[in-house]
Amino acid sequence: AQTVTQSQPEMSVQEAETVTLSCTYDTSENNYYLFWYKQPPSRQMILVIRQEAYKQQNATENRFSVNFQKAAKSFSLKISDSQLGDTAMYFCAFMKHGSGGSNYKLTFGKGTLLTVNP
Amino acid sequence: DTGVSQNPRHKITKRGQNVTFRCDPISEHNRLYWYRQTLGQGPEFLTYFQNEAQLEKSRLLSDRFSAERPKGSFSTLEIQRTEQGDSAMYLCASSLVGGPRTYEQYFGPGTRLTVT
Repeated sequence: AQTVTQSQPEMSVQEAETVTLSCTYDTSENNYYLFWYKQPPSRQMILVIRQEAYKQQNATENRFSVNFQKAAKSFSLKISDSQLGDTAMYFCAFMKHGSGGSNYKLTFGKGTLLTVNP
Repeated sequence: DTGVSQNPRHKITKRGQNVTFRCDPISEHNRLYWYRQTLGQGPEFLTYFQNEAQLEKSRLLSDRFSAERPKGSFSTLEIQRTEQGDSAMYLCASSLVGGPRTYEQYFGPGTRLTVT
């Protein structure tokens, strides 16, 4: 079974600054996906960024980037130029890679509540 | 594409009552997932459907829980004889397996259940 650990229950950052959220995971799988999801207050969860384990290059999406260290089983999220709208709960999640018969279910960490201060 | 919708958004019920939630996935999506999120925790997988077939149920899903997806469109999650421990946010997600975004799940806003 896979486990995902987010060791920072809460973090805060000033608007326009950079913040890094940590995530570690444990798995015996070699092929998998890692995700960061954002859940704003009282709003639905949306996908922020995705990383395929077989890719060495770290994924980036505009102001969001990851630092994927496969050997260390570490997957951190960096948010640059933080905006007030980035205030949300951030979840790190794991998905085993598979064929069409796989379940593709997500295993989530407990989340990190990020507050961006003006 | 109107996104994933869930109804009701909030449900308060008394212990022992039955409740039913509905999820409408993105129309062309063939996979539908149910997750449960309790306070201070990340979502936990409950069950999923490939079209109308329920292919896996977590051991978290006791016999009091049942889910259906008739005709492979919307899905319902029913909880019988609710207990206070059932209080949680129930999230639905859908995806299109076989397409270029096979690994991306789109979540609904959730149904928050409070059992008193």
